[in-house]
Amino acid sequence: KNQVEQSPQSLIILEGKNCTLQCNYTVSPFSNLRWYKQDTGRGPVSLTIMTFSENTKSNGRYTATLDADTKQSSLHITASQLSDSASYICVVSAAWGNNRLAFGKGNQVVVIP
Amino acid sequence: GAGVSQSPSNKVTEKGKDVELRCDPISGHTALYWYRQSLGQGLEFLIYFQGNSAPDKSGLPSDRFSAERTGGSVSTLTIQRTQQEDSAVYLCASSLAGAPKLFFGSGTQLSVL
Repeated sequence: KNQVEQSPQSLIILEGKNCTLQCNYTVSPFSNLRWYKQDTGRGPVSLTIMTFSENTKSNGRYTATLDADTKQSSLHITASQLSDSASYICVVSAAWGNNRLAFGKGNQVVVIP
Repeated sequence: GAGVSQSPSNKVTEKGKDVELRCDPISGHTALYWYRQSLGQGLEFLIYFQGNSAPDKSGLPSDRFSAERTGGSVSTLTIQRTQQEDSAVYLCASSLAGAPKLFFGSGTQLSVL
């Protein structure tokens, strides 16, 4: 079973609307959780990184939340733009290092005009 | 360069041939990672280099896969006797030592016919 589960697998939203992506994880011990954006044909780009003590972190129109007790995170996209169409990947790092990252399969977001 | 550079961007090869994929990390980044991304799957860790330490090869799927990093900079991932199941995007990332933020290249799309 994957240690990082994301939902929904895919969604289509209208330009200007908001959406929320979910990430549940079982990785333990926990060091940090990251959200990446991956455009088609490109490598992932870091959006946010949150440690155990952080509940929320924003990067422009992207806001990530973390509940380390329930092992859940969300990524909220506000006032979506066409350029937000991408895969959003949740990545969880265990305490023992960067070479033991658990990747979710991604949320595929399509923004339509 | 300003970012992680990978070449070639696309590679089509015949089953049984050997391929070499190249990664130029960001200057000054001592940590370098190789991942494989198959369609609809999360990133799969392959190998990790950190400075002069012995690489973590625990993610390599078989002995047909190998990687080296010369002079602490450029890395080459070699796949011998390619199989159709090797078809995937191979992503390289680099980071500062101990830093959680990874910087990814655009990947090499490998297609084995």
